[in-house]
Amino acid sequence: DGGITQSPKYLFRKEGQNVTLSCEQNLNHDAMYWYRQDPGQGLRLIYYSQIVNDFQKGDIAEGYSVSREKKESFPLTVTSAQKNPTAFYLCASRTGTANTGELFFGEGSRLTVL
Amino acid sequence: GENVEQHPSTLSVQEGDSAVIKCTYSDSASNYFPWYKQELGKRPQLIIDIRSNVGEKKDQRIAVTLNKTAKHFSLHITETQPEDSAVYFCADQRSGGSNYKLTFGKGTLLTVNP
Repeated sequence: DGGITQSPKYLFRKEGQNVTLSCEQNLNHDAMYWYRQDPGQGLRLIYYSQIVNDFQKGDIAEGYSVSREKKESFPLTVTSAQKNPTAFYLCASRTGTANTGELFFGEGSRLTVL
Repeated sequence: GENVEQHPSTLSVQEGDSAVIKCTYSDSASNYFPWYKQELGKRPQLIIDIRSNVGEKKDQRIAVTLNKTAKHFSLHITETQPEDSAVYFCADQRSGGSNYKLTFGKGTLLTVNP
């Protein structure tokens, strides 16, 4: 069953701790994206990657880091430098061979900083 | 910054009426404009998209129009039904070499009253 999987679904973190959100896809998609969703703010782009070993900052990259060592995986680390990390995080992927195409989203990870 | 402005933020209509959501963009290099629907508690899903070389596209009760001169595009839903109730996001895509940055608006909460 092809799809995009995010884990964990819920995560609690103490202030000052780094946390890594997992995103795995078996759709053979080249491009992967991380968005943050806050009420009234829509979907804001954190990082995106078109190919393995390459990624670009989105609009709100400060306090976040990513890696793209494998085509299937695009983990997001929320560092202690992120001032307001409590949010809902969505990972997405799509084919990267064309400049259009549907973005397939994961079910999201909800991070709460205590 | 490079924003996608979306209006209105909330929209309430009676079943059977039409609903229109409008988005404006600022970058003339934007070339692809998708619309996503997010039902409560679910992930966003693509409902319709349009490329910059097309002025209008229809899919049953849903249509999207694009005015490149004015830099705005709109989602039109006719004969609305209660199941159309959701948050709708517009997005635009700018290309920079091989990188395709997809930026979303803040969303419109559509409520269709029976």
